[in-house]
Amino acid sequence: DAEITQSPRHKITETGRQVTLACHQTWNHNNMFWYRQDLGHGLRLIHYSYGVQDTNKGEVSDGYSVSRSNTEDLPLTLESAASSQTSVYFCASSSGANYGYTFGSGTRLTVV
Amino acid sequence: DAKTTQPPSMDCAEGRAANLPCNHSTISGNEYVYWYRQIHSQGPQYIIHGLKNNETNEMASLIITEDRKSSTLILPHATLRDTAVYYCIVRKNRDDKIIFGKGTRLHILP
Repeated sequence: DAEITQSPRHKITETGRQVTLACHQTWNHNNMFWYRQDLGHGLRLIHYSYGVQDTNKGEVSDGYSVSRSNTEDLPLTLESAASSQTSVYFCASSSGANYGYTFGSGTRLTVV
Repeated sequence: DAKTTQPPSMDCAEGRAANLPCNHSTISGNEYVYWYRQIHSQGPQYIIHGLKNNETNEMASLIITEDRKSSTLILPHATLRDTAVYYCIVRKNRDDKIIFGKGTRLHILP
């Protein structure tokens, strides 16, 4: 069955380190998205991609980057992790604007 | 995209229909209404969407008023597993990105 997987499920890192969160989908969806979720802020869009080599900034993109070298993967990189980036990160994909998103199970990132 | 307004929380008795309202008075003609839900600590789950006609699927029904300024998501026979935060979202069909609001926290009471 097709799926969308995020790894790792949990990660603890130190301030200043570079961290990459993986998102891999086997739906063959063109569109992929990264969100973060914090208490009091709900889900906020970080970056998104509508296809290979396409990336776009979302609501809260500062300190994050993504790259899309193939259809299946959209890794999220924190260039220099900060405590304010402690959060739960969700990846999602969709086949287009008239379809719903499929979300991954999330990655809980703690920056100490 | 048009803004949506939802009550912060609602209660519903198990086995009864849960009716979740959403106001989107500034919706434009090419914007769709989408509903998602998020069960505690899981990723959000797509439920249903519509433009102006009422829609039904295996999970829920979506009723959109004739002027399209509001809609109601109906869970016909709520169970404890329907306890979640429900998000009503309006977005243009040509633009796939979703901006989530705060949603409605639905409590199903045994």
